[in-house]
Amino acid sequence: EDQVTQSPEALRLQEGESSSLNCSYTVSGLRGLFWYRQDPGKGPEFLFTLYSAGEEKEKERLKATLTKKESFLHITAPKPEDSATYLCAVQAYSGGSNYKLTFGKGTLLTVNP
Amino acid sequence: KAGVTQTPRYLIKTRGQQVTLSCSPISGHRSVSWYQQTPGQGLQFLFEYFSETQRNKGNFPGRFSGRQFSNSRSEMNVSTLELGDSALYLCASSLVSGGAGEKLFFGSGTQLSVL
Repeated sequence: EDQVTQSPEALRLQEGESSSLNCSYTVSGLRGLFWYRQDPGKGPEFLFTLYSAGEEKEKERLKATLTKKESFLHITAPKPEDSATYLCAVQAYSGGSNYKLTFGKGTLLTVNP
Repeated sequence: KAGVTQTPRYLIKTRGQQVTLSCSPISGHRSVSWYQQTPGQGLQFLFEYFSETQRNKGNFPGRFSGRQFSNSRSEMNVSTLELGDSALYLCASSLVSGGAGEKLFFGSGTQLSVL
């Protein structure tokens, strides 16, 4: 069974204090790894898709990286507006012509001014 | 371009009742997926519809059902509500079904409380 584990569950940073969130996964036939951001009272918002080990993608203060077993979301010099829950999801083949998306439980990031 | 619209935003029901949730995808998107989100279990996949056909189904009891109409709008129904069904129900749309790296666009969800 596909498994996605995110750590830490919660992270509190001071503004400007860089850190990383981890997403480790166990899946057969990874098709893609996604990062989403979710603000309170809203649905998740797409950030990145990574397809293969060694791939990196950046957007403003965020940088996502992928290895064969885990992905990291690096946050450089965060600002209070980066406070949100960050979700990781893996897409894998599930038989026939179907693909399954499994989400981790997320990391709640709080950035204090 | 309008986003994914879910109605209603909030619902309060009692045990044993049934409920229907609605989702209008982004124009042109043909795939609609439903997820249940709870603090303890996170986001769990319910089912996916593409061109009015259910393509994928998660591990939920038969009390949870859905359908998709010819205009891609989708409804989700939960019968015989239980306390444990209290959750945020999220709908997500995408252009195609199961495409590699196909990103999902989520609505703001329907918060269901079962008393």
